[in-house]
Amino acid sequence: GQSLEQPSEVTAVEGAIVQINCTYQTSGFYGLSWYQQHDGGAPTFLSYNALDGLEETGRFSSFLSRSDSYGYLLLQELQMKDSASYFCAGRNSGNTPLVFGKGTRLSVIA
Amino acid sequence: DAGITQSPRHKVTETGTPVTLRCHQTENHRYMYWYRQDPGHGLRLIHYSYGVKDTDKGEVSDGYSVSRSKTEDFLLTLESATSSQTSVYFCAIKQDANTDTQYFGPGTRLTVL
Repeated sequence: GQSLEQPSEVTAVEGAIVQINCTYQTSGFYGLSWYQQHDGGAPTFLSYNALDGLEETGRFSSFLSRSDSYGYLLLQELQMKDSASYFCAGRNSGNTPLVFGKGTRLSVIA
Repeated sequence: DAGITQSPRHKVTETGTPVTLRCHQTENHRYMYWYRQDPGHGLRLIHYSYGVKDTDKGEVSDGYSVSRSKTEDFLLTLESATSSQTSVYFCAIKQDANTDTQYFGPGTRLTVL
């Protein structure tokens, strides 16, 4: 099976950069995904890393190191609207469902 | 936005009553999932479907059953609701096995008194 660990809370200042880490333990591994969820809303897909390295999408980047069973989400030029919960997720193979970490609540302060 | 709806959006019921939640999609995606979300637990998988009449259990399936008789509909049933099933329930869809992109419905807030 899979388990993913991430910090429960992170606070950062508007305009700054923040990194949300995710470590995983799994008998197999198919890639690492990141989802964002605002209070009262539904999770939405942010990014996916199938291979080691950095994937960049605008202000958001995601990194994966398979050898270290570790990944992170990097948010740059933080805005107040980035205050949300962020979940890492992974799966073992094509048919198996995603397993989600418990989420990191990001608070962006002025 | 992916065409995925959930009904009802809010429900209050009493312990011991049956409850059915509906997830409807217009995307013709093969995979459908039911999650529950509780504070401190993140998203936990209840059941999922990989095709019409093909379903499997997730990590918290006890007390829940599902059915998928059409591609577009995935029903979650609580046969006899308990207070521990008070939660927010999310449905999600995924196009095929080669992607990790799941699209979530708006959620159903269920309260069992």
